[in-house]
Amino acid sequence: GAGVSQSPSNKVTEKGKDVELRCDPISGHTALYWYRQRLGQGLEFLIYFQGNSAPDKSGLPSDRFSAERTGESVSTLTIQRTQQEDSAVYLCASSFTGTPLTQYFGPGTRLTVL
Amino acid sequence: AQSVTQPDIHITVSEGASLELRCNYSYGATPYLFWYVQSPGQGLQLLLKYFSGDTLVQGIKGFEAEFKRSQSSFNLRKPSVHWSDAAEYFCAVGVVQGAQKLVFGQGTRLTINP
Repeated sequence: GAGVSQSPSNKVTEKGKDVELRCDPISGHTALYWYRQRLGQGLEFLIYFQGNSAPDKSGLPSDRFSAERTGESVSTLTIQRTQQEDSAVYLCASSFTGTPLTQYFGPGTRLTVL
Repeated sequence: AQSVTQPDIHITVSEGASLELRCNYSYGATPYLFWYVQSPGQGLQLLLKYFSGDTLVQGIKGFEAEFKRSQSSFNLRKPSVHWSDAAEYFCAVGVVQGAQKLVFGQGTRLTINP
């Protein structure tokens, strides 16, 4: 009965390194979303997974960003060659197929790129 | 394109006073509207949502919101705030084409004076 979980909660990395962020959705939720929240900003949509369909990557800001999801379970967001502007909180959300817009959010991963 | 505007970046009210947080949206079809709250270091918690029907929506923690189509608004209200209501509040519109994502406003930070 746990909610959406994300790991790590905090990540500090050096510019140019690759990072992986993990999201565990609520069990039974078929849809999974990644959002980015820069300091003092609202959330920006990054990518959407729905079941076994091809993901919607329309929000990814550059080809350094990619994400994978295995079936209807865990998702990993990867940022390659990190830049300082990638510093943000990365939030994951999941939802049921029938109510895709009612999204439940995880606590986020705070990424700091030095 | 879809967008959400929260005109007030920061609002301060006294404990026990009434509260209204403004939200205006731009969306070409019937909107699906949401209010989320984010406490420091926490993920987003859904306060309430509007999909259809009664334009006055009741949510958790004593919050309500009113959908006004003529004004493209979905303002959040609470008759009497508590110190624990201090947080960041986000309004969002749900996009049902494509990614079925949420488009968020910039947020309003609420401070409560004792």
